Amino acid sequence: GDSVTQTEGLVTLTKGLPVMLNCTYQTTYSPFLFWYVQHLNEAPKLLLKSSTDNKRTEHQGFYATLHKSSSSFHLQKSSVQLSDSALYFCALSGTSGGNYKPTFGKGTSLVVHP
Amino acid sequence: DAGVTQTPRHEVAEKGQTIILKCEPVSGHNDLFWYRQTKIQGLELLSYFRSKSLMEDGGAFKDRFKAEMLNSSFSTLKIQPTEPKDSAVYLCASSPDWGASYEQYFGPGTRLTVL
Repeated sequence: GDSVTQTEGLVTLTKGLPVMLNCTYQTTYSPFLFWYVQHLNEAPKLLLKSSTDNKRTEHQGFYATLHKSSSSFHLQKSSVQLSDSALYFCALSGTSGGNYKPTFGKGTSLVVHP
Repeated sequence: DAGVTQTPRHEVAEKGQTIILKCEPVSGHNDLFWYRQTKIQGLELLSYFRSKSLMEDGGAFKDRFKAEMLNSSFSTLKIQPTEPKDSAVYLCASSPDWGASYEQYFGPGTRLTVL
């Protein structure tokens, strides 16, 4: 079945530094990849999505590029802010053959210090 | 428009009890998802409905977990009987058309504690 692997556990950074959260996936279908962000005591919200190979997608200063050759969709930001402290989930869905079941990674906690 | 509504927000149950969690999706959305969220496993899909038809019944969760879509604007998740390992946050999400829009809107969740 489908699977998503993320950077494990906790990433701690100082404000202003760049960040990259890793996401790799396995699927036999054409993939649609997502990043969701969940702030403390809030619902997850969609941050980015893409199904286009080698095209960068951006939102709220975050960006990611789907690379089908390496099955990766890493999340990056050039300068993190305190408000970026949250739980980040990478997710995958198939786009054909009726395989639309979303599969999530276990999540990566990002903590940004002053 | 109202977002996804989940009730109750918190539930405490004794081991062996039956509990029912409720979800109202965004009006007009065709697809509905139930997830379990824990720190160890992250988000795990329990059920997925498309236009009220069950598309995914959660595999390993089948034996004690049953989700139903009673109409297009209301869904329930029954856990029977509850066990302490079911303690988690249960999230409901809806989508206007998941296979086309790939937009998914989450509710605030129900935090379940099983003693």
